Amino acid sequence: GNSVTQMEGPVTLSEEAFLTINCTYTATGYPSLFWYVQYPGEGLQLLLKATKADDKGSNKGFEATYRKETTSFHLEKGSVQVSDSAVYFCALSRPGGSEKLVFGKGTKLTVNP
Amino acid sequence: DAGITQSPRHKVTETGTPVTLRCHQTENHRYMYWYRQDPGHGLRLIHYSYGVKDTDKGEVSDGYSVSRSKTEDFLLTLESATSSQTSVYFCATSNPAGRGATNEKLFFGSGTQLSVL
Repeated sequence: GNSVTQMEGPVTLSEEAFLTINCTYTATGYPSLFWYVQYPGEGLQLLLKATKADDKGSNKGFEATYRKETTSFHLEKGSVQVSDSAVYFCALSRPGGSEKLVFGKGTKLTVNP
Repeated sequence: DAGITQSPRHKVTETGTPVTLRCHQTENHRYMYWYRQDPGHGLRLIHYSYGVKDTDKGEVSDGYSVSRSKTEDFLLTLESATSSQTSVYFCATSNPAGRGATNEKLFFGSGTQLSVL
């Protein structure tokens, strides 16, 4: 079936550190891939997306590249801020058109000043 | 934001009682979803709706039912609440470009914290 596997958290970094959150997927065909972010006390919101192989999604200094050969979509940021503290979810949209996203379990990031 | 309001925001109830959670949206989005969020499980889809009176099951639908009598409202009912249904419940909406289009963006409400004692 279709699934998403994220690195286990929590992740704790100091401000200005480099961030990588790993995400790999299993899917038939060519899914679209997403990162969602959940700030404390809020619902999820879309951070970035990529819809085909080698696409790079980017937003707010975060980047992720759709790697078909390694079935990965790792989230990176060169210099994190305290305000980036949140839970990050990798997700895929099943190929062939689907109303339903499949989410990973989430990775909690804490950035200390 | 898509103007999604969930009510109540917090609820404590007892095992065996019925509970209804409400999701209201103001964006006229066609699709609506109910997810539950639990530690170690992330988000899991309970039910979703692709139009008025059109609903379908998600991966964890047992013990839950839904109704959508109007575009803007999507109700989630726990007929007889159990402690395993203690969770944070999120409503989401989307408006795919067309039939078969990939769902590119979900808009989420702020969640309902439900505790079943």
